[in-house]
Amino acid sequence: AQSVTQLDSHVSVSEGTPVLLRCNYSSSYSPSLFWYVQHPNKGLQLLLKYTSAATLVKGINGFEAEFKKSETSFHLTKPSAHMSDAAEYFCVVRSWGGNQFYFGTGTSLTVIP
Amino acid sequence: EAGVAQSPRYKIIEKRQSVAFWCNPISGHATLYWYQQILGQGPKLLIQFQNNGVVDDSQLPKDRFSAERLKGVDSTLKIQPAKLEDSAVYLCASSRPGAQDTQYFGPGTRLTVL
Repeated sequence: AQSVTQLDSHVSVSEGTPVLLRCNYSSSYSPSLFWYVQHPNKGLQLLLKYTSAATLVKGINGFEAEFKKSETSFHLTKPSAHMSDAAEYFCVVRSWGGNQFYFGTGTSLTVIP
Repeated sequence: EAGVAQSPRYKIIEKRQSVAFWCNPISGHATLYWYQQILGQGPKLLIQFQNNGVVDDSQLPKDRFSAERLKGVDSTLKIQPAKLEDSAVYLCASSRPGAQDTQYFGPGTRLTVL
């Protein structure tokens, strides 16, 4: 079975400081992992994806994530937060065969001016 | 290209009433998904279509939920009768043939059951 655990339900950072959103996964095989962002009243948008290529994945808007098999983690980072980064972020694992995406419970990011 | 369209954006009904949601995926996207997102939770897949056929409906409460994609393009999700616990945002997503690792989501329909 596949699942993801987002370790923080809420994260607050000051504008210009680094962002770290944590995600651990559980999978009996090499997983495909994703981060999605959801802004208020907007659809979910793919930030980045890991599909067994390079372990450091770069996404849109300056975000990146590192796949660490030894730690079963896929944490999302950004060097410098911007006000527009305030949103809900979801870590996602895809099932074997690709039919189902399993979403985490989400992390709400607040950026303080 | 135009994104995934959904309507209505908001719906308020009383329990035991019926309701229907509509989704028009991105042109050329063969795979269509319906998700349910309860407040404070991540989206949960209800049903997945490949063209007009159902690929996975294992988490669809079939006693009250139904969905169709008759011509392999737009889709309708229906709830009949609605329960209080059906209050949620219903998200539609689509993906290109052979690229199911990238799903494009619509803005969702927020359903409130009173």
